[in-house]
Amino acid sequence: SQQGEEDPQALSIQEGENATMNCSYKTSINNLQWYRQNSGRGLVHLILIRSNEREKHSGRLRVTLDTSKKSSSLLITASRAADTASYFCATDASYGGATNKLIFGTGTLLAVQP
Amino acid sequence: EPEVTQTPSHQVTQMGQEVILRCVPISNHLYFYWYRQILGQKVEFLVSFYNNEISEKSEIFDDQFSVERPDGSNFTLKIRSTKLEDSAMYFCASRRGQGSSEQYFGPGTRLTVT
Repeated sequence: SQQGEEDPQALSIQEGENATMNCSYKTSINNLQWYRQNSGRGLVHLILIRSNEREKHSGRLRVTLDTSKKSSSLLITASRAADTASYFCATDASYGGATNKLIFGTGTLLAVQP
Repeated sequence: EPEVTQTPSHQVTQMGQEVILRCVPISNHLYFYWYRQILGQKVEFLVSFYNNEISEKSEIFDDQFSVERPDGSNFTLKIRSTKLEDSAMYFCASRRGQGSSEQYFGPGTRLTVT
């Protein structure tokens, strides 16, 4: 498998339910970031979690990171129709360099039904 | 809130023609990136740019590609002789600097090569 793979590939839930997306990666990382992309639009940064962190919250978002399993999860609580989008994890394996390139996963397409 | 802007939003060109995609990063950011996303595929890293030089480039970024920061605000991606397989959404991103890993993406330029 490739660096950064999300599952499920697609998720359909009802408004008000929680949505959980998972991301697995292969190499050691500096940090992992989650992005949202509405259909055909740009990438919106949601949250960043560093390799020495295990959990982070931002509003209705909760991100966990398990470096021993090389996996992360994104939980969106109390989902809304406006949360309908594709969600990508992106890993940054750079340490102290001038690159910090991001390696993106395959994405989870979330559909929230009103 | 400052944001990354990109022009044009959509560019149609014929195979073999040169195109220049333009980006205005967030003003106090020091690191700049280009990524691309072929329809239905992952977002892929192309190149990173810092201190007026390329810091890293991917295998995709061959001699047909170049980047430039011609003044204090613009950051451009040039494709010298476009191919059909260059058709994709091209995203510019910027990052503030050391100690800040979040990358902020522009809305993208959809390039269609016919």
